[in-house]
Amino acid sequence: AQSVSQHNHHVILSEAASLELGCNYSYGGTVNLFWYVQYPGQHLQLLLKYFSGDPLVKGIKGFEAEFIKSKFSFNLRKPSVQWSDTAEYFCAVTLRGGYQKVTFGTGTKLQVIP
Amino acid sequence: EPEVTQTPSHQVTQMGQEVILRCVPISNHLYFYWYRQILGQKVEFLVSFYNNEISEKSEIFDDQFSVERPDGSNFTLKIRSTKLEDSAMYFCASSEQGQGGSPLHFGNGTRLTVT
Repeated sequence: AQSVSQHNHHVILSEAASLELGCNYSYGGTVNLFWYVQYPGQHLQLLLKYFSGDPLVKGIKGFEAEFIKSKFSFNLRKPSVQWSDTAEYFCAVTLRGGYQKVTFGTGTKLQVIP
Repeated sequence: EPEVTQTPSHQVTQMGQEVILRCVPISNHLYFYWYRQILGQKVEFLVSFYNNEISEKSEIFDDQFSVERPDGSNFTLKIRSTKLEDSAMYFCASSEQGQGGSPLHFGNGTRLTVT
C-alpha cells in the first residue's frame, strides 16, 4: 500500500537553528513529491515540489528538499529557522500521471522559540 | 494570486442532518478535490473531479457523500446524513492538470462539527 512517513511529530527549535524534517515514502512507481505548510489558522500552502531533474529543489522562504531515490526520502531542510516558520509541515506524494490523488504524511509541528 | 475559497469557515450541525460545503476553485483549473483532516490525524483524500464527473474516490467517500459542480464556478461537497465521525476540517483543492502533475492549491477549509 502507498504510504508516507514523517518521523518527527513535534520539533522545537530556537531561532537560527538548522532544520531537517524527515519524509519517507513507499510507492510502486514514479512519484511527484511535495512539501506543504500550514501556518496557524491558515490553509495548506505549497512550500516546494519535485517532479524531475535536479533532486535538490529550492522552495519559498529559504526551504529546500532533497530527493534521494535510493532511500525513498524527500527531507526538508532550512539552514536557519525563524519564529515565523512555526507551522505544521506535511510531506505529500502522488504517482506521476493519474488524477493526482495525494497521499499526505501525518505532519510535523514545528515550534520555533525566539 | 488567485485563491481557492471555501464557505462557510465553520459549520455546526446535528447528527443526521444534511450539510453542503461550498468551494470556488481557481478559475482556470480543471481538476477539483476534496480532502479532510480529522483533528490530530493526517489529511485524507476523499474525491477528485474532472470533466463533470468523479475521477477517483477513496473508501471514505461512501454513499453519504456526493459532489457537484452546479455551475461554472462552484464545487460542492454534500453529506446526506452526518455522523459524529464526520467532524473534521474539509479542504477543497484545485489544480491545473491531473496527468503529469501540478501542485494542488488548497482553500482555507471548512471546520464541520457534528453534535
